[in-house]
Amino acid sequence: DQQVKQNSPSLSVQEGRISILNCDYTNSMFDYFLWYKKYPAEGPTFLISISSIKDKNEDGRFTVFLNKSAKHLSLHIVPSQPGDSAVYFCAAEDGQNFVFGPGTRLSVLP
Amino acid sequence: EAGVAQSPRYKIIEKRQSVAFWCNPISGHATLYWYQQILGQGPKLLIQFQNNGVVDDSQLPKDRFSAERLKGVDSTLKIQPAKLEDSAVYLCASSLGGQAEAFFGQGTRLTVV
Repeated sequence: DQQVKQNSPSLSVQEGRISILNCDYTNSMFDYFLWYKKYPAEGPTFLISISSIKDKNEDGRFTVFLNKSAKHLSLHIVPSQPGDSAVYFCAAEDGQNFVFGPGTRLSVLP
Repeated sequence: EAGVAQSPRYKIIEKRQSVAFWCNPISGHATLYWYQQILGQGPKLLIQFQNNGVVDDSQLPKDRFSAERLKGVDSTLKIQPAKLEDSAVYLCASSLGGQAEAFFGQGTRLTVV
């Protein structure tokens, strides 16, 4: 039973355009959400997070949107750069459980 | 500041053999995690240590996996005997707080043939 889903295994976008990565969750008790970026042969690194009391958090080119009623969050990268090519993991926690999604591989084409 | 160190980076073994992975967390981080990441899936927590005590090992297959953190610093994860389905990247992470504040090592890629 996947509590955190990332239904797109891969995504390709053109450099300079917007990348939108989606994440859905089933556990309504999750109250904190994170995005991680993972390059090949490296461990995941924290990118951005959002608490359930907010619906948007922005950090430079990265913005995370949270829709609690739909149990959906998304990561927007604007503008996308070739160095953003990586696997992006969504994660969620409720104070006890911490669950990663399966990841989406983003390819930014020059 | 040095990050989380793991070794080896890669390991290939035959099924039924044993293997051990080593992790050195960030200095001062009391909490240490081992994760298993199977290709196409997100990292799954195997075991969490607080200093040298186990906090959560509910998802550790205890019939073949074991882990220790004897002096509350370095940790080893062992698989004996290995199965084909153990092929994965084994990630170690450490934090001062919870999993959301954890820093990850580069991982050990295990291939069981």
